[in-house]
Amino acid sequence: GESVGLHLPTLSVQEGDNSIINCAYSNSASDYFIWYKQESGKGPQFIIDIRSNMDKRQGQRVTVLLNKTVKHLSLQIAATQPGDSAVYFCAGEHPGSARQLTFGSGTQLTVLP
Amino acid sequence: DTAVSQTPKYLVTQMGNDKSIKCEQNLGHDTMYWYKQDSKKFLKIMFSYNNKELIINETVPNRFSPKSPDKAHLNLHINSLELGDSAVYFCASSHGGDRYTFGSGTRLTVV
Repeated sequence: GESVGLHLPTLSVQEGDNSIINCAYSNSASDYFIWYKQESGKGPQFIIDIRSNMDKRQGQRVTVLLNKTVKHLSLQIAATQPGDSAVYFCAGEHPGSARQLTFGSGTQLTVLP
Repeated sequence: DTAVSQTPKYLVTQMGNDKSIKCEQNLGHDTMYWYKQDSKKFLKIMFSYNNKELIINETVPNRFSPKSPDKAHLNLHINSLELGDSAVYFCASSHGGDRYTFGSGTRLTVV
């Protein structure tokens, strides 16, 4: 199976600073990963995804890094804004999982003024 | 237009009752899912379903059953509700397992 975990349950950053949220996974066969953002009272929203044939992918103000050697991925948010405050989840899939996403435990990001 | 919509948003019911949560997606996705989010925000897959197969997470009690009248709908039926069923339930859909789109959740409270 797959287990996915986040390193820190909470993270506080100053507005304008960069944020880094880390995640580890257990199954070396995992080949697809997604980061989601969940605001209070809402469902998870897709942020960015990455496949195992890549080690970096960039979006608007976000970058995902994948290190398959140590089975670790991270989400970097540039110039963090108050609207970035939310719970962030990493999730992974492997071919044997019937393409079901397994979620990590989530990191609560708080942006300080 | 809401891509994945689920109803009701809130559901309060007594132990022992039977209830349903409805989910519809208008994205043309081929696979739909139900996830349960507990009080610690942990999201756990319950079911995935496409027109070919139903995958049931082995930890889900058989009081929970998904019903799909067509590709755009996956409803969740729960029999004999228990206190421990209280949680937020999310419906999601995807095309081939990529980029799941989630609904806004149904907060179920069993009293």
